[in-house]
Amino acid sequence: EPEVTQTPSHQVTQMGQEVILRCVPISNHLYFYWYRQILGQKVEFLVSFYNNEISEKSEIFDDQFSVERPDGSNFTLKIRSTKLEDSAMYFCASRMRGSTDTQYFGPGTRLTVL
Amino acid sequence: QQQVKQSPQSLIVQKGGISIINCAYENTAFDYFPWYQQFPGKGPALLIAIRPDVSEKKEGRFTISFNKSAKQFSLHIMDSQPGDSATYFCAASRQGAQKLVFGQGTRLTINP
Repeated sequence: EPEVTQTPSHQVTQMGQEVILRCVPISNHLYFYWYRQILGQKVEFLVSFYNNEISEKSEIFDDQFSVERPDGSNFTLKIRSTKLEDSAMYFCASRMRGSTDTQYFGPGTRLTVL
Repeated sequence: QQQVKQSPQSLIVQKGGISIINCAYENTAFDYFPWYQQFPGKGPALLIAIRPDVSEKKEGRFTISFNKSAKQFSLHIMDSQPGDSATYFCAASRQGAQKLVFGQGTRLTINP
């Protein structure tokens, strides 16, 4: 069964450093998402991406965040200058084009900012 | 108005019992209501979903009950098993919008 994959599974970084989280969505999906989950809290939407542009973003997704689809398979989330409060699980999700609304989530990247 | 409120925060059920998790929403534009199951260290996985044109949807031991007038929906797990122990999230979205709005999650423990 096709699945969303994410790398790395765990990223440790120093405050102020840049990190790039990588995702490979399901191959025939055209809508892509990033969510985050701070430990013990609910899953929060960050950004959605379609047709090579951001289609919606939350107030969390400020100027330090960016997304990119550099090739036909990868979808990345960049955090330019990490803060302690960016420590969380980051989930990538993808959705097939069409009427279905099912979003399929990857296993997540645990980001720890020291 | 974008919030989805979920209860209880945690739930302990004996094996074979019925687990019930409730969610409420305010935004009447929501028209898709999925439930996700999450095991520790894993991403959320779609369990079952419903649209407001039906009041109930059943898939195996899992049933969603939907009350449009009360703006509430619930997940029922029949014959609960230890393997059902996980965190469950309700969510909602509206057609044309991209994001899922999640509830706070319920940590379900099924005692053997």
